[in-house]
Amino acid sequence: GENVEQHPSTLSVQEGDSAVIKCTYSDSASNYFPWYKQELGKRPQLIIDIRSNVGEKKDQRIAVTLNKTAKHFSLHITETQPEDSAVYFCAASKGPGGYNKLIFGAGTRLAVHP
Amino acid sequence: SQTIHQWPATLVQPVGSPLSLECTVEGTSNPNLYWYRQAAGRGLQLLFYSVGIGQISSEVPQNLSASRPQDRQFILSSKKLLLSDSGFYLCAWVPGLQSGEQYFGPGTRLTVT
Repeated sequence: GENVEQHPSTLSVQEGDSAVIKCTYSDSASNYFPWYKQELGKRPQLIIDIRSNVGEKKDQRIAVTLNKTAKHFSLHITETQPEDSAVYFCAASKGPGGYNKLIFGAGTRLAVHP
Repeated sequence: SQTIHQWPATLVQPVGSPLSLECTVEGTSNPNLYWYRQAAGRGLQLLFYSVGIGQISSEVPQNLSASRPQDRQFILSSKKLLLSDSGFYLCAWVPGLQSGEQYFGPGTRLTVT
């Protein structure tokens, strides 16, 4: 079945630095790749997503890139702030044809130090 | 507006006791619904999904079951809880099937003692 690997498992940066989290997926039929942010004790929140017909998408300080050939996608956070500290999850889906099921990576714990 | 609810918010149950967690969605019809479990400090594991009333698909064999008695209601159950059932249970839905964007409910934190 589909497998999503996520690296690194923990990431520590100084405020203002950039952070990059990488994921690889195994099923070439996957066509939708969301990223979620989960703060301690809270539900995961969708922060950005990308579809297979797009190579890059940006929303203010966050961006996601997709390389379909290599089957990997990445989350980029620029000018990090302490409130960016959380666990980030990537996921992959085959869309409506796959019942929109999400397969998640194991998560990356990001710590932004003032 | 479209919202998703879960209850209870927290639950402490002894080993061997039954379980019933409820998820309801408002403001939409015929949504795809999902149950995930998150063990402490871990990722999200898809347990069940449903594309309509009475239609349940299981992703992981275990002592849990799911039911969808109404269009906007999704229930997670167990006849006898195990210690390993402890975790954060999240219900999710897809408001627009073509978009695929999935949103999570507030979750139920279950501790089996």
